[in-house]
Amino acid sequence: AQTVTQSQPEMSVQEAETVTLSCTYDTSESDYYLFWYKQPPSRQMILVIRQEAYKQQNATENRFSVNFQKAAKSFSLKISDSQLGDAAMYFCAYRSAIAGANSKLTFGKGITLSVRP
Amino acid sequence: NAGVTQTPKFRVLKTGQSMTLLCAQDMNHEYMYWYRQDPGMGLRLIHYSVGEGTTAKGEVPDGYNVSRLKKQNFLLGLESAAPSQTSVYFCASSDLVLQGYWQFFGPGTRLTVL
Repeated sequence: AQTVTQSQPEMSVQEAETVTLSCTYDTSESDYYLFWYKQPPSRQMILVIRQEAYKQQNATENRFSVNFQKAAKSFSLKISDSQLGDAAMYFCAYRSAIAGANSKLTFGKGITLSVRP
Repeated sequence: NAGVTQTPKFRVLKTGQSMTLLCAQDMNHEYMYWYRQDPGMGLRLIHYSVGEGTTAKGEVPDGYNVSRLKKQNFLLGLESAAPSQTSVYFCASSDLVLQGYWQFFGPGTRLTVL
């Protein structure tokens, strides 16, 4: 079974600075997808960024980028130029690329990010 | 498109009462999921469905039942609510063909069992 670990329960960053959120995972599969979801106080789960394991290039979405280290099974999220609206809980998630029963997401426990003005 | 909607948004039950949570999606997605979110636990999968008329157990299925009679709807039932089922429940859906697609989430239902 796959597991996702987010070892830091909380982090804080100064507005306009850069912060990196850590995530590690364990799997025996070679093809899979990794995601970062954001959950603001509104509770809505919002996809931030996704990475296909077969792609060596790290995904980037505006101020958000990932550092994907497949051999180390590490998937960290970097937020540049942090904004007050980035304050939220962030979840790392894993999904097998195999169709059918393994299409579910496995989530980490989440990390609460606060942004200081 | 409304995306994924959940009904109701809040509910308070007494121990032993029953209720049904409704999830609806208008994206023609094959896959639908029910998760629960508890503090410090992340999201855990309760049940899921890979198509109309199919359901399967997830990580924490005990005390819940589900039905997928129509492709767009996925119902989560609690037959005899217990305080341990106090949680925030999320429904999600995803596309079958585009396997890399992320899951779209509903706004959540906060359930309190007294």
